[in-house]
Formats: sequence, structure tokens, C-alpha cells
Amino acid sequence: KQEVTQIPAALSVPEGENLVLNCSFTDSAIYNLQWFRQDPGKGLTSLLLIQSSQREQTSGRLNASLDKSSGRSTLYIAASQPGDSATYLCAVHTGGFKTIFGAGTRLFVKA
Amino acid sequence: NAGVMQNPRHLVRRRGQEARLRCSPMKGHSHVYWYRQLPEEGLKFMVYLQKENIIDESGMPKERFSAEFPKEGPSILRIQQVVRGDSAAYFCASSPPASSYEQYFGPGTRLTVT
Repeated sequence: KQEVTQIPAALSVPEGENLVLNCSFTDSAIYNLQWFRQDPGKGLTSLLLIQSSQREQTSGRLNASLDKSSGRSTLYIAASQPGDSATYLCAVHTGGFKTIFGAGTRLFVKA
Repeated sequence: NAGVMQNPRHLVRRRGQEARLRCSPMKGHSHVYWYRQLPEEGLKFMVYLQKENIIDESGMPKERFSAEFPKEGPSILRIQQVVRGDSAAYFCASSPPASSYEQYFGPGTRLTVT
């Protein structure tokens, strides 16, 4: 059974700091992995999608890596800003059409 | 191209009533997913549908919950005889047919059962 874990559960950093959010999954047989952002009371915004054959994806200040063999992904945020404050969710898509989400990392960037 | 639309955004029902949640996928998308998010918890997969077909409903409670995605019109998640424990945010996502399975999410429907 696929399980997705995100560490840390919460993180508070000063503005300008570079930071790494971690995601691990128990079954390496995944189709893809997607990182989302969720603002309080809102829906999910897709940040990056990494196919199982890829090692990383980049978008602006965000970089996501994938190591399928070790069951890990990281989301790197460069030069954090208060506007980055949100919950970041990692989701693994399995071949059975099911997507398994981690519980998220709550990020607070202090001005 | 409008995004995924869900309505209503907020729904209040008394215990025992029925709740009907609607999801219109993005134009050109034929795959729809429903998720439930309980307070302070992550999203839990409920069901995956294609037009007129339920592909995977392994996350749906066995009773009171049903979902459909008809040939015409939105996908509907129906909860009969709601109980307080059904209070949650329900999210719909869609993805295109030829797919990387990249999912695009709607804003969610927040159901409150009183």
C-alpha cells in the first residue's frame, strides 16, 4: 500500500532563506509525482509535475527533484518570500489511477 | 479556457438531508477525480471517473456516497442522509485524456452538516 510522508509538518523561516521540503513514498512504482500549493480555505494550485522517467523540474524559484529508487522527492524554494506562505502538498500518482497525497508541510515565511 | 468549476462553493445541510456537489472539468478534459479533505488532514482520494464510467471508486465509503459523470453535464458527487462526520472540503480535479495525469483542481465545496 502506497504511503506518502512529508517532513517537516510545519516550517517557519525568515524572508530570503532558501529551503527544502521533503516528500517520501513507500512504493517506487509511480506514474508521476506532483507538488501543489494550497492557501487557507482555497483549492490546490499545481506547482510542478515530474514524470517517473524524469529527475527534476524547475519553475522560477522552485525546483523539484525525484529519486524513484529511494522513494524521495524534494521541493527547493529559493529566496523565500512572505507570499510563499502556504501549505505545500506532495502527491504520487500510481498506475491504478489513484493519487495519494501527503499531509503537507505548512510554510510560514516571516517578513 | 475556464478552470475546473465546482458549485456550490459552500453548502450547509442538516443531518439526514442529501448533498449534491457538482464539478465541471476543464474544457477538453474527460477524466474527473473527487477528493475529500477533513479539517487538518490531507486530501483523500474518493473516486476516479471518465465519461459515463466509474474507473476506480476504492476510496468511496460503501454507503450513502455515489458519483457519476454523465455524457452531458457536470460530474456529481451525491451524499445521502448526511451526518456530521461528512463535514469537509470536497475537491474535484480533472485531467486531459492523453495523459500525464497532471491534475487541475477546482476551488472545492465546503460542506457543513449541522
